[in-house]
Amino acid sequence: AQKVTQAQTEISVVEKEDVTLDCVYETRDTTYYLFWYKQPPSGELVFLIRRNSFDEQNEISGRYSWNFQKSTSSFNFTITASQVVDSAVYFCALSEARSGGGADGLTFGKGTHLIIQP
Amino acid sequence: SAVISQKPSRDICQRGTSLTIQCQVDSQVTMMFWYRQQPGQSLTLIATANQGSEATYESGFVIDKFPISRPNLTFSTLTVSNMSPEDSSIYLCSVAMTGRYEQYFGPGTRLTVT
Repeated sequence: AQKVTQAQTEISVVEKEDVTLDCVYETRDTTYYLFWYKQPPSGELVFLIRRNSFDEQNEISGRYSWNFQKSTSSFNFTITASQVVDSAVYFCALSEARSGGGADGLTFGKGTHLIIQP
Repeated sequence: SAVISQKPSRDICQRGTSLTIQCQVDSQVTMMFWYRQQPGQSLTLIATANQGSEATYESGFVIDKFPISRPNLTFSTLTVSNMSPEDSSIYLCSVAMTGRYEQYFGPGTRLTVT
């Protein structure tokens, strides 16, 4: 069975601080996919990034960066110079490889509520 | 990505009744999924709906309670049957484009059962 743990229920920082959201996952598959989604107060889910299990290269997109480490089963998300607009609930998710190919259902962590104070 | 719409956006229903939620996508997709997000909680997969085959339900969800239709590659419905207050949740559909693994979500349907 697969599992995603986001131990941080809520994080509050002052604007311009850096913040890291932790994500630890469990899976027995050797091929799997990791994701981060953002859910702002408006409620829609916004896809941020996907990482394949065979690609441990870290990624940076503007103020966002992701650190994927298979050795510790972690896929952490860092926001640099946080802004008030970053306030949202952030979900880490996992899917395993589907027999026959294609996307499979996502297992979500419980989410981290990030509050950026002005 | 894809543009996904859901109807209704919200509804208040009486216990014991049923509600059908529609999910429409602006392009043809093979994989569609239905999730539930209970108040203040994370998302839980209800079922996978592929066109041309029966929906596959996750543990804890049954077809009698959550029947799903997938008549074509751009449309799906989820029915919440014989509703109780415990069914009060946001119901979301999502799609994955062919050959892709990330899912894009609809805006959700906020259901309140009284």
